Amino acid sequence: GENVEQHPSTLSVQEGDSAVIKCTYSDSASNYFPWYKQELGKRPQLIIDIRSNVGEKKDQRIAVTLNKTAKHFSLHITETQPEDSAVYFCAAIFSGGYQKVTFGTGTKLQVIP
Amino acid sequence: DGGITQSPKYLFRKEGQNVTLSCEQNLNHDAMYWYRQDPGQGLRLIYYSQIVNDFQKGDIAEGYSVSREKKESFPLTVTSAQKNPTAFYLCASSSTGVDSPLHFGNGTRLTVT
Repeated sequence: GENVEQHPSTLSVQEGDSAVIKCTYSDSASNYFPWYKQELGKRPQLIIDIRSNVGEKKDQRIAVTLNKTAKHFSLHITETQPEDSAVYFCAAIFSGGYQKVTFGTGTKLQVIP
Repeated sequence: DGGITQSPKYLFRKEGQNVTLSCEQNLNHDAMYWYRQDPGQGLRLIYYSQIVNDFQKGDIAEGYSVSREKKESFPLTVTSAQKNPTAFYLCASSSTGVDSPLHFGNGTRLTVT
């Protein structure tokens, strides 16, 4: 089955600096990669996603890159703000008649004012 | 996401009692999922259902049961056989089309004493 490794498990950055979170997946059949942000005690919310036929996608301060050959994808947050502090989860999804979802173990991001 | 409703938000039970967590969605999604989240931990899949009247065990199904009699509803029963039931339970749904992210409910925090 699919296995998704996520690093680092915790990340502290100064406000205004960039943060990068990396995920590696094992199943080359996975073809869709969403990222979720979860604030304390709340539900995970989709913040950005990328398809397997796209190498990079950007939405304001957030970007995601995908390297299909190496089977890894990364979340980049620029100009971090205190409200970016949360736990971030990556996921690898195989969409092919049925939905097979595997989450990474999460990264706790702390942005220090 | 207003499309997925979990109830109640907090639930307290005595050890040895079965308890059922509700999950309802009005997003017309075929697939529904139950995840368990322990403090500081990631998302572990309990059960999932791709279609009405069908469901599959996830990674930690022991001590849990589900039903999928209606497309909109996917209740989870935590039985007395679950050794450590205190946790945050998240329900999610998705379409089964290509590039379909999971949408999460607000979660139910279950405490068993």
